[in-house]
Amino acid sequence: DTAVSQTPKYLVTQMGNDKSIKCEQNLGHDTMYWYKQDSKKFLKIMFSYNNKELIINETVPNRFSPKSPDKAHLNLHINSLELGDSAVYFCASSQVRSGGDTPYEQYFGPGTRLTVT
Amino acid sequence: LAKTTQPISMDSYEGQEVNITCSHNNIATNDYITWYQQFPSQGPRFIIQGYKTKVTNEVASLFIPADRKSSTLSLPRVSLSDTAVYYCLVGRIYSGNTPLVFGKGTRLSVIA
Repeated sequence: DTAVSQTPKYLVTQMGNDKSIKCEQNLGHDTMYWYKQDSKKFLKIMFSYNNKELIINETVPNRFSPKSPDKAHLNLHINSLELGDSAVYFCASSQVRSGGDTPYEQYFGPGTRLTVT
Repeated sequence: LAKTTQPISMDSYEGQEVNITCSHNNIATNDYITWYQQFPSQGPRFIIQGYKTKVTNEVASLFIPADRKSSTLSLPRVSLSDTAVYYCLVGRIYSGNTPLVFGKGTRLSVIA
């Protein structure tokens, strides 16, 4: 069983379109994340959800909207896609420790390569 | 989040031990040190995490000196399959608003 899965693996679309990427984890974790890895291979966090509540929202355009229907899912919807959105998007999950802090042991999905033409 | 500095790339022959050092001069008291490995076209994979002294698991060892201003990831007897990018992260996330930042990582190339 795949711990963190993402669909689709590849996504090619034109500028201006709206698209969604889905993420599911079967690890029973209560915190999920979206990361963006650009062409220079920098990996930056975009969003973090803990028990379906948004806890981290980095400087991301409003065109990006995460949605967490339940603890096991965190989907990413992108409106009005732009060329600069082309990147690999990774979903990840972790379990918050009892002290309230989230450890760095995160489990990443295989990534979704988004190409905007 | 403490800034980290690590070599951009390293080469090694198969069977050798590889040590990748990460500098984190402004590490905070509550910060952990964590290493991730990323293969091409895959998501990062957690390797090891530590706070001080030495931590060892089935994959690697992590050496942290007393001042904690640096750390060394040690990979014993590397093989071609260890070719990957290795990221050093320092910090601690609260269920609040502290973001994760991956640096450029160290690209390790293992040569036969």
